[in-house]
Amino acid sequence: DGGITQSPKYLFRKEGQNVTLSCEQNLNHDAMYWYRQDPGQGLRLIYYSQIVNDFQKGDIAEGYSVSREKKESFPLTVTSAQKNPTAFYLCASSIGTEQETQYFGPGTRLLVL
Amino acid sequence: AQSVTQLGSHVSVSEGALVLLRCNYSSSVPPYLFWYVQYPNQGLQLLLKYTSAATLVKGINGFEAEFKKSETSFHLTKPSAHMSDAAEYFCAVSGGFKTIFGAGTRLFVKA
Repeated sequence: DGGITQSPKYLFRKEGQNVTLSCEQNLNHDAMYWYRQDPGQGLRLIYYSQIVNDFQKGDIAEGYSVSREKKESFPLTVTSAQKNPTAFYLCASSIGTEQETQYFGPGTRLLVL
Repeated sequence: AQSVTQLGSHVSVSEGALVLLRCNYSSSVPPYLFWYVQYPNQGLQLLLKYTSAATLVKGINGFEAEFKKSETSFHLTKPSAHMSDAAEYFCAVSGGFKTIFGAGTRLFVKA
């Protein structure tokens, strides 16, 4: 079955710690995205990638970093510079970036200890 | 610039009643419009998509939406609500490289 997987489902971060969220897709999509979801705020774009080895900042990139070394993978690192990381993180992919349907993973909930 | 406004953060209907979730958009280019649904602790899945081929768009699970350019609206409807429709619904607009999502409307269905 084709789809997007995210791991872990729940992640706990200690103060000053960097953590990495995994996102993998086997849909052969070129574009991938990371969103942050907070209650009542909808989805906010963190980073997106149109093609391997290339990515752009979204609306709330501060405190986050990404890499796109493989077409299938787009991991997100939440750094210690992100002071309010508690949220639900969603990864998505699409065939291309313009006006295409996005397919979402199941999400990772990040909590701060 | 593009934006989406969903009117009402919460909507409550009785089972069997009409569902109406409101969405207004702003776009400087002809928009592609989407409705997505999210069940608790899950990702979003596509309900339907407007691509200018037809103003009335039919989606999954009996939902449909009508594009009204004069009103800049793309409201989502379903004639008869079912308990399984309880979820959060997101309207979204795309006119370029980014998709802009509304804040979401949580639908409650009463027995």
